[in-house]
Parts: sequence; C-alpha cells; structure tokens
Amino acid sequence: DIQMTQSPSSLSASVGDRVTITCQASQDIGNSLNWWQQKPGKAPKLLIYEASDLDAGVPSRFSGRGSGTNFIFTISSLQPEDIATYYCQQYDIFPLFGPGTKVDFK
Amino acid sequence: QVHLQESGPGLVKPSETLSLTCTVSGGSIRDYLWSWIRQPPGKGPEWIGYVSDSGNTHYNSSLESRVTMSVDTPKNQFFLKLRFVTAADTAMYYCVRGTRILGPWGQGTLVTVSS
Repeated sequence: DIQMTQSPSSLSASVGDRVTITCQASQDIGNSLNWWQQKPGKAPKLLIYEASDLDAGVPSRFSGRGSGTNFIFTISSLQPEDIATYYCQQYDIFPLFGPGTKVDFK
Repeated sequence: QVHLQESGPGLVKPSETLSLTCTVSGGSIRDYLWSWIRQPPGKGPEWIGYVSDSGNTHYNSSLESRVTMSVDTPKNQFFLKLRFVTAADTAMYYCVRGTRILGPWGQGTLVTVSS
C-alpha cells in the first residue's frame, strides 16, 4: 500500500513569511496529488490539484510542485486567514491523505 | 450548485451498526462516484469507499470487511453502513462527490461510538 508522509507536522510563522510543506509518497504517483486546507470545524477545502494546478478562486500565493514521489506546497506570503492544517492527498489508486501540517502564528 | 447533506444517529453503541444517509440536492446523483470520508478527532481524513450511481462499490481495504455502501438514484441519496463499530470509529463522517477530485463535501456529521 502507498504511504504518505508530510513534514513538518507543525510550524509557526509570521505574517508575510514564506511557508513550505513537503509531502512524500512511498511509490511513484506521477502528478496524482492534491493539497487541502482545513480550518477547525470545517470540511477540507481543495487548494491545488494534479500537484500544481490552482483550484478556482484560490489565491495565487498558494502553489504546488513536484511529481513522482516528492511534492512541495508553498505559501509565498502567509496571511492571517491561512492559519489552518494542510494535507496532501494522493489518488493514484484510491484517495489517501497525508498526516497533515498544522500552521499557526509564531 | 450541488449540495450534500449527511444524516443519521450521532451516537452508536459498540458492536452495533453505524448507518448514515447522504442526500444530494441541486444536481443529479447520476454519472458520478460518491465517496464517504471520515476524520477522527485530531487526525487526518480517511477515505472509506465509494459507490457509483449504478451501485458499484470500492472500499478501503482496511474497512471493507465491515462496510457496505448503496445508492437510491431516484431519491438522489446514497448510504453508508459500518458494522461492529468500536470507539476507534468515532469520527466526523463526510459524504463527498468524486474520488479523484473530491468535492463538493457535505458539512459532516459527528458520530460517537459509546455505550
């Protein structure tokens, strides 16, 4: 079975900081990877699909890249509304979420 | 705009069956796959499985011995049954359209397993 890892598990940053999260798949998944944002009490919200495509209406400060087994998610300039937990999710065979990265303010 | 709404008991006793319904409005249930996803408190989402509009199913191998999904196309509803629940099945349960691209999502319903 495919395993997904994310790092870090949590991070603290300041408004305006560049934030980077990595996601690794245990086997090649091509570009079959999505990135999600989840705020407390809410369903996850899709930000990036197919590793690098921004979903409609998502601010351009969010970006994703990578393929195969290594993926990177970046927030170019952290905003207050970006405080949330972020998940990568592969769909090579069936949907599988990573363990998440909690982003809060320093 | 398609809207999904979960319904069902919020409390289930250990060893009993969790039963949830997802009602789809604003669009047809036809021509899509429909997933159930759960999220235990403090943990990441876990895909449970999907059902198609014709009733074909595919389940997460970790749960497939206890899961049954079904669909009622005329009523625009699909269903989840999870048997022999334990405290580990306590979670927010979401119904979601799709599998490759997941969305839209229902608001979720919290199911607690406790005696």
